[in-house]
Amino acid sequence: NAGVTQTPKFRILKIGQSMTLQCTQDMNHNYMYWYRQDPGMGLKLIYYSVGAGITDKGEVPNGYNVSRSTTEDFPLRLELAAPSQTSVYFCASSDPFWSGNTIYFGEGSWLTVV
Amino acid sequence: GIQVEQSPPDLILQEGANSTLRCNFSDSVNNLQWFHQNPWGQLINLFYIPSGTKQNGRLSATTVATERYSLLYISSSQTTDSGVYFCAVAERRGGSEKLVFGKGTKLTVNP
Repeated sequence: NAGVTQTPKFRILKIGQSMTLQCTQDMNHNYMYWYRQDPGMGLKLIYYSVGAGITDKGEVPNGYNVSRSTTEDFPLRLELAAPSQTSVYFCASSDPFWSGNTIYFGEGSWLTVV
Repeated sequence: GIQVEQSPPDLILQEGANSTLRCNFSDSVNNLQWFHQNPWGQLINLFYIPSGTKQNGRLSATTVATERYSLLYISSSQTTDSGVYFCAVAERRGGSEKLVFGKGTKLTVNP
């Protein structure tokens, strides 16, 4: 059981480049999330999805796009990378929290924009 | 939205000491979770504890939902306990829900 898998683990981008962070989960969770964590800070929600075909903005969505075509996959797209997007990105999945479920995180993707 | 505040922001201990970390939240919740982020960045679930007390080895947690706080106790701390501890609560809006995280408590346990 792999859980939540993110790729790549490390990436260096030049300003203005674009890339996609891949995320897949094998727990059949309906809910998936993308968080970013800046150095020394907590986690901020970028986008989330409550099921295939449904996505919604979190706290810090600017500069990012997502799609959810299947239950398993939730890729995060960075368009026109900027230094402010240098961060660690975590994908996560869960069943509904109000049913007493916990969240499962991937191992993180370290992104540097230079 | 829900506000989540953690204290203290930083804590330095000698190995073997006990500690208490606090999480305050601004609204009633029925899902509160504690996480440990190790020095390599990995986030690990510690407790799901919307109310009451749970124990897991040297760690225990208590949530008093009516007073909107939760406490994480670490006893006989070890260097492997170092890292950042986050609490998070579930916020439900318009049929969807998401976790709101506090800023964390950075714990350093020295040998």
